[in-house]
Amino acid sequence: AQSVTQLGSHVSVSEGALVLLRCNYSSSVPPYLFWYVQYPNQGLQLLLKYTSAATLVKGINGFEAEFKKSETSFHLTKPSAHMSDAAEYFCAVSDSGGYQKVTFGIGTKLQVIP
Amino acid sequence: GAVVSQHPSWVICKSGTSVKIECRSLDFQATTMFWYRQFPKQSLMLMATSNEGSKATYEQGVEKDKFLINHASLTLSTLTVTSAHPEDSSFYICSATPPVGQGSPLHFGNGTRLTVT
Repeated sequence: AQSVTQLGSHVSVSEGALVLLRCNYSSSVPPYLFWYVQYPNQGLQLLLKYTSAATLVKGINGFEAEFKKSETSFHLTKPSAHMSDAAEYFCAVSDSGGYQKVTFGIGTKLQVIP
Repeated sequence: GAVVSQHPSWVICKSGTSVKIECRSLDFQATTMFWYRQFPKQSLMLMATSNEGSKATYEQGVEKDKFLINHASLTLSTLTVTSAHPEDSSFYICSATPPVGQGSPLHFGNGTRLTVT
């Protein structure tokens, strides 16, 4: 069974500050890992995904995440927060590249303070 | 590319009636579609996986007779909430996936907000 744990259901940062959203995974096979963003009353938009090609993954909107097998982590970062980054962020894991079942974390709501 | 259209975006219905939600892949063929339910301030819970032309696979605890899923074509899957009750009120999201090697997976619709009165 696979699972992800997102530490911190709410994170607040000041505009221009570093964004760090934490995700730890559990998987019995090499995982595929994803970060999604959700704006109110909308579906999910893919920010980035790890598929074993490179441990540091760059995504859209200036976000990136680093896969650390030793720590079973896939934390999401952005050097400088923007007001438009305020949203819900979900970490997810799959053993099939996302073509079959994907398990989502509980989500982290990011608040950006002006 | 890879646009998924979900309709309606919101619906209000009376208790006891049925509601149909459509999920369409507009520019690719989706051999697999997933239906999720999201409770307020919670994550997405996978309800079922539907493969074109075959019966949906429901997750444990999801009532297949209450949540009817049909995936009759490579571009359309429908979720029908039968005899809806207030506890069925939720945000339902679909995602569509092309065959392996024919594009990236998991393209999400914008969701449907269902309110049962």
